[in-house]
Amino acid sequence: GEDVEQSLFLSVREGDSSVINCTYTDSSSTYLYWYKQEPGAGLQLLTYIFSNMDMKQDQRLTVLLNKKDKHLSLRIADTQTGDSAIYFCAEKPGYGGATNKLIFGTGTLLAVQP
Amino acid sequence: EAGVAQSPRYKIIEKRQSVAFWCNPISGHATLYWYQQILGQGPKLLIQFQNNGVVDDSQLPKDRFSAERLKGVDSTLKIQPAKLEDSAVYLCASSLEASYNEQFFGPGTRLTVL
Repeated sequence: GEDVEQSLFLSVREGDSSVINCTYTDSSSTYLYWYKQEPGAGLQLLTYIFSNMDMKQDQRLTVLLNKKDKHLSLRIADTQTGDSAIYFCAEKPGYGGATNKLIFGTGTLLAVQP
Repeated sequence: EAGVAQSPRYKIIEKRQSVAFWCNPISGHATLYWYQQILGQGPKLLIQFQNNGVVDDSQLPKDRFSAERLKGVDSTLKIQPAKLEDSAVYLCASSLEASYNEQFFGPGTRLTVL
C-alpha cells in the first residue's frame, strides 16, 4: 500500500537546525520529494532525491534517505523565520507507466521562534 | 516565466450547487494535474492529463466531479452537485512531461461548501 507519515509540528529557534522526518511504506518508490507550503500559497518544490541515493545537499538543505527503514529526513541549517511553513514529504510510486502521481504526507508545520 | 494560474482563488457555495475551477498551466507543459487538499491533509491526486488525454483519474469521484482539457492547454474541474465534504483547496499543477520530476503548483482555489 501507499502511505506517507510525518509528525505534525516542529518548533525551533532562529539559527538552530531543523530536522523534519517522514516515513513511507511503498518500497518501489522511485523519487522522494520535499515541498514547502506557505499560507495561502501553492506548493513549492524544495528538493528531491532518487531512491538509490543516501544523501543530497543543496545549500542549507540536506536530505537523508534510509531506504531499508523507508525513512526520509530534511535538515534545514541555520533556520530563519522565513522558513516557517508547512513541509510536505511526497513519494512517487514505482509502478511505471505514464502516471506521475505523487503520494503526499500530512505535512509538518515548522514554527521558527525569533 | 509565468507560473500556473488558477481562478477563482476563493469560492463559497451551498451544498447541491455546482462550481467550476479553471487552470492555466505553464506554457509548453504537456502534463496537467488536479489535486484536492482537505484541511490538515496532504494533496491527493484527482486527475492527470497528458496533453488532452486522461492518464489517471482513479481517485476522481466521477459521479459528481468532471474535468476536461479540450485543447491540451487550459483545464476546468467541475463539481456537480457539491457536498459538504468537498470543502478543500483544489490545486492545479503542471510538468513538462509525465516523466519529468518537478511538478509546478498553482496557488489553489479554496472551496467552502455550506
